[in-house]
Amino acid sequence: GAVVSQHPSWVICKSGTSVKIECRSLDFQATTMFWYRQFPKQSLMLMATSNEGSKATYEQGVEKDKFLINHASLTLSTLTVTSAHPEDSSFYICSAPTPDRPTGELFFGEGSRLTVL
Amino acid sequence: AQSVTQPDIHITVSEGASLELRCNYSYGATPYLFWYVQSPGQGLQLLLKYFSGDTLVQGIKGFEAEFKRSQSSFNLRKPSVHWSDAAEYFCAVGPSDKLIFGTGTRLQVFP
Repeated sequence: GAVVSQHPSWVICKSGTSVKIECRSLDFQATTMFWYRQFPKQSLMLMATSNEGSKATYEQGVEKDKFLINHASLTLSTLTVTSAHPEDSSFYICSAPTPDRPTGELFFGEGSRLTVL
Repeated sequence: AQSVTQPDIHITVSEGASLELRCNYSYGATPYLFWYVQSPGQGLQLLLKYFSGDTLVQGIKGFEAEFKRSQSSFNLRKPSVHWSDAAEYFCAVGPSDKLIFGTGTRLQVFP
C-alpha cells in the first residue's frame, strides 16, 4: 500500500537555528500533503497544506515565515522551522491523500520530534 | 462549528475484555468519519472509515465502529482487547483536506 515517510524521526537543535523536515510519498505521487503539529498528550492540529507547484496554504494562526513549506516535487514536501525556539518543540506529522481520492483516506508519516534547546 | 469530542481521555481495560471508545461530532454536512490509532512516537494508522452506506463498518485489527446520525456519534468497539492494542486512538471528521481530530483517548491494557 501507499507509504509516507518522514525524516528525521527526531532532531535536537539549538535555539535560533533552522531545522528541515522531509516528507516523502514512497510509491505514489502526492500533489498535496498536509503538515500537522501535535503537542504532548494533545490532538493533531493542521498547520498547512503543501501544494506541488504553488504556495502552501497556512491555517489561521500559523506563522508562514517561521514554518516554511516547500513542495519540491510530486513526492517530496519539506517543512523548515526557522529560527527555532523552545516553544517550537513538538511532534510534527505529515500526511498525503491516497492516490485514488476521493476516498478521503490519508497516509501519515511516522512523525518527527523536534526538541529545541 | 465543526468539532470532534472524545469524552474519555484515558481508558483502562483488562486483556480480553470488550472495549468501546466514544466519539461525538458536530459537522454541517454528511461527514466522513475516521478512527486512527497512534502508537508512542509514531504516526497515525487508519483503523476504519465511514463515508456512506452501512452504518456498521469493519476495520483492521478486529475493530468496528457504528455511525449513528441521530446521536452524532461514531463509537469504536472491539469485542476482546489484546495487550498490543494499547495506544492512543483518535476520532476524526471531515474531508481529508480539512480533517478535524478529537483530543484522543489513551487506552491502557492490563494483563
